Amino acid sequence: GAVVSQHPSRVICKSGTSVKIECRSLDFQATTMFWYRQFPKKSLMLMATSNEGSKATYEQGVEKDKFLINHASLTLSTLTVTSAHPEDSSFYICSARDPGPRGETQYFGPGTRLLVL
Amino acid sequence: AQTVTQSQPEMSVQEAETVTLSCTYDTSENNYYLFWYKQPPSRQMILVIRQEAYKQQNATENRFSVNFQKAAKSFSLKISDSQLGDTAMYFCAFMANTGNQFYFGTGTSLTVIP
Repeated sequence: GAVVSQHPSRVICKSGTSVKIECRSLDFQATTMFWYRQFPKKSLMLMATSNEGSKATYEQGVEKDKFLINHASLTLSTLTVTSAHPEDSSFYICSARDPGPRGETQYFGPGTRLLVL
Repeated sequence: AQTVTQSQPEMSVQEAETVTLSCTYDTSENNYYLFWYKQPPSRQMILVIRQEAYKQQNATENRFSVNFQKAAKSFSLKISDSQLGDTAMYFCAFMANTGNQFYFGTGTSLTVIP
């Protein structure tokens, strides 16, 4: 299947700082990428949909000024957690939509574990 | 809105046996895709199998196959000859052909017992 990378895999930061997470589609162009948050032993919660060249669409209850999303190219989307607080500690996963020859599918990055102290 | 329901929070199966994970969904769409993803302890989401709603034939991928019942809105996953490496969370997911959203079920934790 297609490959989606995510960086960093793990980050620890102090409360009040900002953290940027990168999501890249390595072997296909992704006009649409998605950002999820996952709590332990729970399903994935969609935070926002990121479309290349336009503003992200945020799910209800997700603060767009806190979780800044930029999709500047067809292979890269970034999520910046601004002024992080301990309650932002979580596992963040990105995915990229591949409408290509393999058929409509989403491929997921390996996730980023964020710990805010 | 679309919903995806996985009614089995936890399941277990003996190694080499067969297990079926259930999934139902609700939608008014006619064209859509259904997926099963596996999430092992590493937490990497891995695509197991996908099904296009317009195809009547059930998808198969080696030991994994689905029973897709469009009228009943049911999409179960059968794992044959279960292996220890199949131990993971399994998520059923729905994506409309017209939309940009993925809808996940709550997951089924599968344990393969040696």
